[in-house]
Amino acid sequence: EAAVTQSPRNKVTVTGGNVTLSCRQTNSHNYMYWYRQDTGHGLRLIHYSYGAGNLQIGDVPDGYKATRTTQEDFFLLLELASPSQTSLYFCASSDALGGGEQYFGPGTRLTVL
Amino acid sequence: KTQVEQSPQSLVVRQGENCVLQCNYSVTPDNHLRWFKQDTGKGLVSLTVLVHENDKTSNGRYSATLDKDAKHSTLHITATLLDDTATYICVVGDRGSALGRLHFGAGTQLIVIP
Repeated sequence: EAAVTQSPRNKVTVTGGNVTLSCRQTNSHNYMYWYRQDTGHGLRLIHYSYGAGNLQIGDVPDGYKATRTTQEDFFLLLELASPSQTSLYFCASSDALGGGEQYFGPGTRLTVL
Repeated sequence: KTQVEQSPQSLVVRQGENCVLQCNYSVTPDNHLRWFKQDTGKGLVSLTVLVHENDKTSNGRYSATLDKDAKHSTLHITATLLDDTATYICVVGDRGSALGRLHFGAGTQLIVIP
């Protein structure tokens, strides 16, 4: 059973649309992360959280909000989607004392037309 | 500024051949380095992690080395299979805890042909 799941797996929306990407982890990890992956770039950190109610800004946060409602659930919100946000989005989780290893979900492919 | 550079960008080999993937980085401090395999459109699966100066690891047909002085790592794949077709991503962690950041390379796309 996958320990980090994401939904939806694929999403198509239009410019200006409102999108929520969901991530759930059953690893009992404190830390959760949202990344985007684009051709020619390594994964880039959007937001992360070290517990329910906590939110930290990553390296490419513009245009994104996030919310950590429980230890298990982390959401990424695009309130006014733009074509530049077309990407493959990954969620990950890690344990505070886990040597820095992160466990990744299967990804959500988002297309903004 | 890209802190993790991988080469080659892409590589085509015939099934059964060996191949070597390179990773150079400038991340400081460099606590650990991990290689991931990513099948097309899928998540990242960890292959191996290197922590110490001159570390060498082996995981089946995958083996890796790390030279922290040179800030360089290699991933060797022996006797490639068609299922090895994937993107291989080098990731450098600047700490040994979740307090650290991971620095991702853009990946090497490996294609194994019959």
